[in-house]
Amino acid sequence: DQQVKQNSPSLSVQEGRISILNCDYTNSMFDYFLWYKKYPAEGPTFLISISSIKDKNEDGRFTVFLNKSAKHLSLHIVPSQPGDSAVYFCAAGNTGTASKLTFGTGTRLQVTL
Amino acid sequence: EAGVAQSPRYKIIEKRQSVAFWCNPISGHATLYWYQQILGQGPKLLIQFQNNGVVDDSQLPKDRFSAERLKGVDSTLKIQPAKLEDSAVYLCASSPPGPYSYNEQFFGPGTRLTVL
Repeated sequence: DQQVKQNSPSLSVQEGRISILNCDYTNSMFDYFLWYKKYPAEGPTFLISISSIKDKNEDGRFTVFLNKSAKHLSLHIVPSQPGDSAVYFCAAGNTGTASKLTFGTGTRLQVTL
Repeated sequence: EAGVAQSPRYKIIEKRQSVAFWCNPISGHATLYWYQQILGQGPKLLIQFQNNGVVDDSQLPKDRFSAERLKGVDSTLKIQPAKLEDSAVYLCASSPPGPYSYNEQFFGPGTRLTVL
C-alpha cells in the first residue's frame, strides 16, 4: 500500500527554468510533509517542509505547495541549477506518531545546461 | 559537527549468511532510525529508537532482522540469515531531542548490501 506516491520517476529541465516535482498521498492522517534531496552514494538531506495548516512554504529558490483537498503537494525550484540534479523524495508524517515518516519512490531531476 | 557514520559502506554476501551494520549517530541525538531502501523505492523505516528503547519496529522482519542500541548511542542492525530480497541500501538516521523532529533527521551515507 503506497501511501505516498511520486508518479514521475524522472524529470529533465533546462538550467534557469522552473522544475516542478509532484507528490500525492492517500493517508488523510498525514499532517506534515517534507522534501529530501539525495545525491549518489550519500544519504538524503532535508530540503523543505510544510505543515498541513499552511498551503505554501518558501525557502530561497524552493517552494512547496500543499493542496489538502486533492492530497497533493509539489516542489518548485526556480531557477533550476545544475547542482540541483539529484533524486528528490517526498515524505509525509503525522505529528502524533513520534516522527515516523513515509517516503515516496523518488523523482530523479536532471538539470541540463 | 560530525555527521552520522555508518560502516561498512558496501557488503556482498551469499544468501543464508549473516551480516551486521553499524551506525554512530550525531552526538547528542536521542532518536536513531534504520531505514531500508530497495532500488527504485523510497526509504522504508525498519526500526526507531528513542535513547536505547524501541519506539517503532512494526516493519522490521523480526524472524531475521534484529537491532540494538546499547547505551543509547551507536547501534547495530543484523540480518540472519540473509535472503536475496534483502539486497538494498540500509540507511541510518538520527535526530535531536524534541517533540517533532521531522525536519531534523540527519542521514548517514548508507550501507549497500548485495545478497547473491
